[in-house]
Amino acid sequence: GAGVSQSPSNKVTEKGKDVELRCDPISGHTALYWYRQSLGQGLEFLIYFQGNSAPDKSGLPSDRFSAERTGGSVSTLTIQRTQQEDSAVYLCASSLDGSNSPLHFGNGTRLTVT
Amino acid sequence: GQSLEQPSEVTAVEGAIVQINCTYQTSGFYGLSWYQQHDGGAPTFLSYNALDGLEETGRFSSFLSRSDSYGYLLLQELQMKDSASYFCASPGVAGNMLTFGGGTRLMVKP
Repeated sequence: GAGVSQSPSNKVTEKGKDVELRCDPISGHTALYWYRQSLGQGLEFLIYFQGNSAPDKSGLPSDRFSAERTGGSVSTLTIQRTQQEDSAVYLCASSLDGSNSPLHFGNGTRLTVT
Repeated sequence: GQSLEQPSEVTAVEGAIVQINCTYQTSGFYGLSWYQQHDGGAPTFLSYNALDGLEETGRFSSFLSRSDSYGYLLLQELQMKDSASYFCASPGVAGNMLTFGGGTRLMVKP
């Protein structure tokens, strides 16, 4: 079946511009996660959605970052007024029920801020 | 808060056995997972330990000791394709988001 789909796969933007990254989770998965990974580094948690509960936004690095999940499915991560330090791969993952179910990751969006 | 510590790099030869360690400090404990990530690829799930002991899946095994706050991933009969980064991960609160360790880059040499 279809896995987690992210778009675009690559995004180059100028400093100060806003960007939107999209994630289509696996159908039926109630939990959705956004992580950020800089080159050669670990996965930095950004935000977590579980069903209809309020999202866990504790990992968002600044108020320039926001995310929403519509209809319990598709999610959009928005970065406003991008900075060069925002350059990274943004990974989305979904899991069946957010407990200890395995995370299924998309291939990520590589964001480059020039 | 929580943190998971792993060695940054491990090198081994084809056919050998390698162990990647993970020590953790968490406010609660709800299991330890392992993920593999090849360069340029997405992380993929390998294993999960909720209880103490060894879980075996083919050439890969994962071990957990809750009393020692320690786990490891054991890779046997190493193959070149096993060259990748390996991450341990744990949720701090049941059903919550996963915190990942910094990752261990495994290089398998001929």
